[in-house]
Amino acid sequence: EDQVTQSPEALRLQEGESSSLNCSYTVSGLRGLFWYRQDPGKGPEFLFTLYSAGEEKEKERLKATLTKKESFLHITAPKPEDSATYLCAVRKNTGNQFYFGTGTSLTVIP
Amino acid sequence: NAGVMQNPRHLVRRRGQEARLRCSPMKGHSHVYWYRQLPEEGLKFMVYLQKENIIDESGMPKERFSAEFPKEGPSILRIQQVVRGDSAAYFCASSSGTRSFEQYFGPGTRLTVT
Repeated sequence: EDQVTQSPEALRLQEGESSSLNCSYTVSGLRGLFWYRQDPGKGPEFLFTLYSAGEEKEKERLKATLTKKESFLHITAPKPEDSATYLCAVRKNTGNQFYFGTGTSLTVIP
Repeated sequence: NAGVMQNPRHLVRRRGQEARLRCSPMKGHSHVYWYRQLPEEGLKFMVYLQKENIIDESGMPKERFSAEFPKEGPSILRIQQVVRGDSAAYFCASSSGTRSFEQYFGPGTRLTVT
């Protein structure tokens, strides 16, 4: 069964305390893996696309990496404004659907 | 440089009424996806449309739900005879349809059925 699982469900960090969020997937034939940030009451905001194992993308304090089974979103020295829910999604080689995980709710405490 | 627009942002309907949700994609985008998000659940794919065509509606309930994306005007998600279980946030996302498949989301419509 095609599935995307994110962990942990919730994460509380002190400002400056680096950590990683995990997205594991079981799909047959990955076309792309996508990371989004969602603030309360708003739509998801696109962050990164990763296509193949070994690929890495960076943006400010965020770095996304991809293996054959999972992706990590590394947050370096987070700030309170990084507090949000981070979603990952995958698209298969076949079909048109995107499969979303339930997200990791990140809280960064000043 | 407007992003994806959705309206209304909030919609309240009584059971049995119809709900119409509108989505205007980003400029230059001709692909639209609709998703439903329930509390504590992930975004669930409903339907994928290109201008004047439904490409994939495999995630949409067979009854009461329909979607269109006409040549002119916004994409519309229509829910007939709403029930309480339809209460959710509905998001649309648009894409240019190129190789990247990157989607850009609107702010969502929060539907409440009373």
